[in-house]
Amino acid sequence: NAGVTQTPKFQVLKTGQSMTLQCAQDMNHNSMYWYRQDPGMGLRLIYYSASEGTTDKGEVPNGYNVSRLNKREFSLRLESAAPSQTSVYFCASSEEPQTGKAFFGQGTRLTVV
Amino acid sequence: AQSVAQPEDQVNVAEGNPLTVKCTYSVSGNPYLFWYVQYPNRGLQFLLKYITGDNLVKGSYGFEAEFNKSQTSFHLKKPSALVSDSALYFCAVRAYGSSNTGKLIFGQGTTLQVKP
Repeated sequence: NAGVTQTPKFQVLKTGQSMTLQCAQDMNHNSMYWYRQDPGMGLRLIYYSASEGTTDKGEVPNGYNVSRLNKREFSLRLESAAPSQTSVYFCASSEEPQTGKAFFGQGTRLTVV
Repeated sequence: AQSVAQPEDQVNVAEGNPLTVKCTYSVSGNPYLFWYVQYPNRGLQFLLKYITGDNLVKGSYGFEAEFNKSQTSFHLKKPSALVSDSALYFCAVRAYGSSNTGKLIFGQGTTLQVKP
């Protein structure tokens, strides 16, 4: 039972480069989320997708785009990476969006130099 | 604005002693409250939640949390700490009545260190 799988686990980018973080869940959840985790700031929501075919901005969407490719997959794209985007990125999915219980991937540690 | 505060960056406790990790919240309406735990180099894992009902909620690994509406608090507790409980703990809230999207607002996290 894989749960939520993120790739890659680690990435180093140069300023201005682009990349896509991949996320897939095998729990048939409708809702999926992308968070970033920074020291002393907890997790902040970047984008979310309440269901297949819909996406919405979260708290810190600037500099990011997302695609809900199908029910399983939700990708996060950085078009032009900046050092301020150095962070740990977590994908999550929820079986119970009304109650907020979420399942998280293991994270992608991204460094932008 | 909705927010969650964890006033302690780190909590240190000796193994076998009781532990408390504090959380206060500010949200419109009735809150849905959660605790998650993060072990090193891992994603967050759900510990417990409060939706409604009994103010004392029991969760995984022997943890429990007490909801106090008048103090807008949701402190995490365990009667006897284990070294293996050492991790980063996050309190989170979702406001009742918001859209059914499951968006969570997280506190900044509290590192729990349990020493042998």
